[in-house]
Amino acid sequence: NAGVTQTPKFRVLKTGQSMTLLCAQDMNHEYMYWYRQDPGMGLRLIHYSVGEGTTAKGEVPDGYNVSRLKKQNFLLGLESAAPSQTSVYFCASSRAQDTGELFFGEGSRLTVL
Amino acid sequence: AQRVTQPEKLLSVFKGAPVELKCNYSYSGSPELFWYVQYSRQRLQLLLRHISRESIKGFTADLNKGETSFHLKKPFAQEEDSAMYYCALSGDNQGGKLIFGQGTELSVKP
Repeated sequence: NAGVTQTPKFRVLKTGQSMTLLCAQDMNHEYMYWYRQDPGMGLRLIHYSVGEGTTAKGEVPDGYNVSRLKKQNFLLGLESAAPSQTSVYFCASSRAQDTGELFFGEGSRLTVL
Repeated sequence: AQRVTQPEKLLSVFKGAPVELKCNYSYSGSPELFWYVQYSRQRLQLLLRHISRESIKGFTADLNKGETSFHLKKPFAQEEDSAMYYCALSGDNQGGKLIFGQGTELSVKP
């Protein structure tokens, strides 16, 4: 039972390159989230999804796109990476009945040069 | 606007001393408040929530609506309590979104 798995765990990009972070959960959770963690800023919500085929913007959505084609997967895409997107990205999931308890992945550290 | 503020970036105490991690929030409705913890090399995880009114690992937190605070307390800190602590808020009709504070790093020295 892996819980929430993120790939890759580390990545270095050049400005302008694109990439996709994959989040997979095996708990049959309806809700999934992408957060970014920056020093002194805490965790900020980028995008989230309340079910398969749905996505919604969070607090800091600009520069990112997401897709939830399958219930267990939530993809975060950077079309043209910028140095400001250097961060640690966390995926999380929760049951619809208890959205206060988020189950987090281990994080993906992204550096944009 | 919803906001969660943790005024201390770093809190350093000695083993056995009391500890209080401060959390203040701004929300006009009826919020749910949570504390999450991230130990070194572990995933961020839920520590406790105000509606449970329970003590986890010796930690308690009381929601004070008058002062809009949800401080985390422990009477006797242990070295294994050293971690990053995040206060979080969920508002009614917010569709499951949690708003996190900036986090406080707790360091318990021997």
